[in-house]
Amino acid sequence: DTAVSQTPKYLVTQMGNDKSIKCEQNLGHDTMYWYKQDSKKFLKIMFSYNNKELIINETVPNRFSPKSPDKAHLNLHINSLELGDSAVYFCASSPGLAGVASADTQYFGPGTRLTVL
Amino acid sequence: AQSVTQLDSQVPVFEEAPVELRCNYSSSVSVYLFWYVQYPNQGLQLLLKYLSGSTLVKGINGFEAEFNKSQTSFHLRKPSVHISDTAEYFCAVSPYNQGGKLIFGQGTELSVKP
Repeated sequence: DTAVSQTPKYLVTQMGNDKSIKCEQNLGHDTMYWYKQDSKKFLKIMFSYNNKELIINETVPNRFSPKSPDKAHLNLHINSLELGDSAVYFCASSPGLAGVASADTQYFGPGTRLTVL
Repeated sequence: AQSVTQLDSQVPVFEEAPVELRCNYSSSVSVYLFWYVQYPNQGLQLLLKYLSGSTLVKGINGFEAEFNKSQTSFHLRKPSVHISDTAEYFCAVSPYNQGGKLIFGQGTELSVKP
């Protein structure tokens, strides 16, 4: 059974398009995250949600909007895609509530490779 | 603010040799410390973490790390590496009470040769 899954695995699209990446976890965790890994493999957090509530919102362009319909899902919608958005996007989850999440192990999905042409 | 520096971007080593991957951090608040591994075309998985207590932490696959508060370091070691250890290794810190935010280093590519 896949613990943290993402769809699609690959996404190739044109500049200016709008796209979504879906993430689901079946671990019963309370907190979910989105990270961006650039071409140099540098990882940076974008957002986190705790039980459907936005907890972390780093300095990410407004074109990126996370949505959490329930605590098992955290989707990422990107408007007006730009060349610089090309990256691998990782979803992750951790068990604890926001107050203790700092010490938690995060479980990562396999990643979605986004290529903007 | 926090930052993490992994001192080696690439570490080539022969099979069965020992290896050390170096990590230094700076932070104005207390942090927890992590090492994650990323195998080719996969997500990250936890190797080990330091929360408190003994400064020597043992993880999966024979890896261990030592927390040194005075040097603000958290170096990762393995006494004898295998070909299967070839991967990208990330050191990370998580500040207390910041919702689980992980701040990563730049990564170290460990390449184990036969």
